[in-house]
This record gives sequence, C-alpha cells and structure tokens, in this order.
Amino acid sequence: DSGVTQTPKHLITATGQRVTLRCSPRSGDLSVYWYQQSLDQGLQFLIQYYNGEERAKGNILERFSAQQFPDLHSELNLSSLELGDSALYFCASSPRTEKETQYFGPGTRLLVL
Amino acid sequence: QKEVEQDPGPLSVPEGAIVSLNCTYSNSAFQYFMWYRQYSRKGPELLMYTYSSGNKEDGRFTAQVDKSSKYISLFIRDSQPSDSATYLCAMSVPNFGNEKLTFGTGTRLTIIP
Repeated sequence: DSGVTQTPKHLITATGQRVTLRCSPRSGDLSVYWYQQSLDQGLQFLIQYYNGEERAKGNILERFSAQQFPDLHSELNLSSLELGDSALYFCASSPRTEKETQYFGPGTRLLVL
Repeated sequence: QKEVEQDPGPLSVPEGAIVSLNCTYSNSAFQYFMWYRQYSRKGPELLMYTYSSGNKEDGRFTAQVDKSSKYISLFIRDSQPSDSATYLCAMSVPNFGNEKLTFGTGTRLTIIP
C-alpha cells in the first residue's frame, strides 16, 4: 500500500458526460501528479500540482482540468467524455525529500460507453 | 521516436532464472531513473530509484544505469512466480521538484514455476 488513495475504483459513464476523480496524497506529500494509462499510449503524464498550485502540464486535453485543495487532496475533472477517454487514471504523490520519486495510487478505471 | 524505448515482451522465464529488463532513452537531460512494478489492475509500485551511472542493489534486484550509452537495466535474481508483473522504466529531468516521469511502455514478465 503506497499510502495514496483514489476514488472511485471504477467508473462507467456515457459519452458527453462529466466525471470527477479524487486523489488523496500520502501524508505530508505536497505534490500530486495525474497520469493516464491506456493500452496504446502507456502511462502519460497529465498534470502536476504542488501545494495547491499548478506546476507542470503534460498531454492534458482542454476538456480535462484538475485542482488541488487546501487539504492537499486533488480532483481531476473530465468533461465531454469520448470513447477514447476510457483508461486507467492514476495519481501519484512525491515526498519533500526525494522529490524525484513518486508513489502511485491504485487508480480509477474509467469506461466510457 | 519515443524518448524512452522498452521491449514490451512478453517475456517468460523459468523460476530461479536471472531476468534482464532493459530500456534505452534519447534525452540526455534525464538524470533520475526508476523501475516500477505493476501487477494487473494495480497501480505502479516503485522498485528501484537511482540517479548515477553504475549499479544499485536491493535484495534480488539490481538496477544498472549507463548514461554514456543511454541505457538502463533491471536484473532480477532467483526469480519467483510472485515477480510476474509488468515492469516499467521511468525517467525524469531535474526540475526543482517538478519532475514529471516519462515511462517506457512496460515489459510483461511471467515466471513459470
């Protein structure tokens, strides 16, 4: 158990809908990273937050957004969902020391029908 | 060309064998190197982390980095059926705590009892 929690574990929704994925980092970790894992693209970095502020953006679509709250939990919002958004979504957090290492949560499996 | 290349396998070896997993990369700015293990339907689990060329050992696992050749390896000694998983290499560029990870596509490993 990495100490990173994610909810829900599974999500089934329809095209055009909007969903919110939630992540709680390990105790004391200020950084949260979001990744998407699909069969054809592998693990892709989406976005990073550090203590409430956006720090880095990767291959994140404009339909996707995220935020980190004062209690350090983070939410990833996916809107206007398409079939191709079906994937595993992971969040990871990193400690203040060894910022280079990231610990992953169990993921949210999203299926868009 | 992808920044990180990893043979997807699958790789099947008998129990007790030595396993060698490899990644090559093209971005010479990568300075941090990690190996993650991912069991089916689970989040990636950090196995090894290193930032220097050479070998780093942890139990049955040895991570090797050759920056001059842009090549990293993970060796597993005395492989066990519980080592059956997908192994992902990951790398990052030093960026003051904003180090997004770039992953290989993963190698699926099966240890045959």
